[in-house]
Amino acid sequence: NAGVMQNPRHLVRRRGQEARLRCSPMKGHSHVYWYRQLPEEGLKFMVYLQKENIIDESGMPKERFSAEFPKEGPSILRIQQVVRGDSAAYFCASSATSGGDRGRQYFGPGTRLTVT
Amino acid sequence: GEDVEQSLFLSVREGDSSVINCTYTDSSSTYLYWYKQEPGAGLQLLTYIFSNMDMKQDQRLTVLLNKKDKHLSLRIADTQTGDSAIYFCAEKTSYDKVIFGPGTSLSVIP
Repeated sequence: NAGVMQNPRHLVRRRGQEARLRCSPMKGHSHVYWYRQLPEEGLKFMVYLQKENIIDESGMPKERFSAEFPKEGPSILRIQQVVRGDSAAYFCASSATSGGDRGRQYFGPGTRLTVT
Repeated sequence: GEDVEQSLFLSVREGDSSVINCTYTDSSSTYLYWYKQEPGAGLQLLTYIFSNMDMKQDQRLTVLLNKKDKHLSLRIADTQTGDSAIYFCAEKTSYDKVIFGPGTSLSVIP
């Protein structure tokens, strides 16, 4: 059973370009979470999605950021018109809908975004 | 509000025990976690404890939970240089959101 997969692992974008980060949850998981880790800081929650629904986006910046988790395919975190301050590591996690350990989130390796 | 706090740095000698402390504010949290992050790597779940437990032991790791004081600790016995990393405490709230602390950077002195 493959773990949570994220791609690309490293992404370099120029200011003003768009960044698309992908997350494939573990098999059987339908809950996806995105976190951002800025340099020298801890993880910050961004958004929590279930299939085709955004459950909690209280951590998402109001502009330029969006997330989706379609019925088929990976979850996408999209950042439009990137700025230098968006440079960070973006982690995705997934969890199961049911089972004895609903609380356990499994993390992907992260995508390191560098904006030049 | 929801908040998780940790001391930012800890330095120990190889072979000693390390104790990393964490406090949280959400009394309705269901799970509490300890993650390890090595340089340039993603998070690794070390251990977790359900909120109705007081203690959990897993090889060199011991987690203690004082729910009344909302205090969580991670003890690493016989600390090795390979344990040098950042350790994140996290709580899962009743809304299925995980709140992370800022991380404690553990340095192990040979």
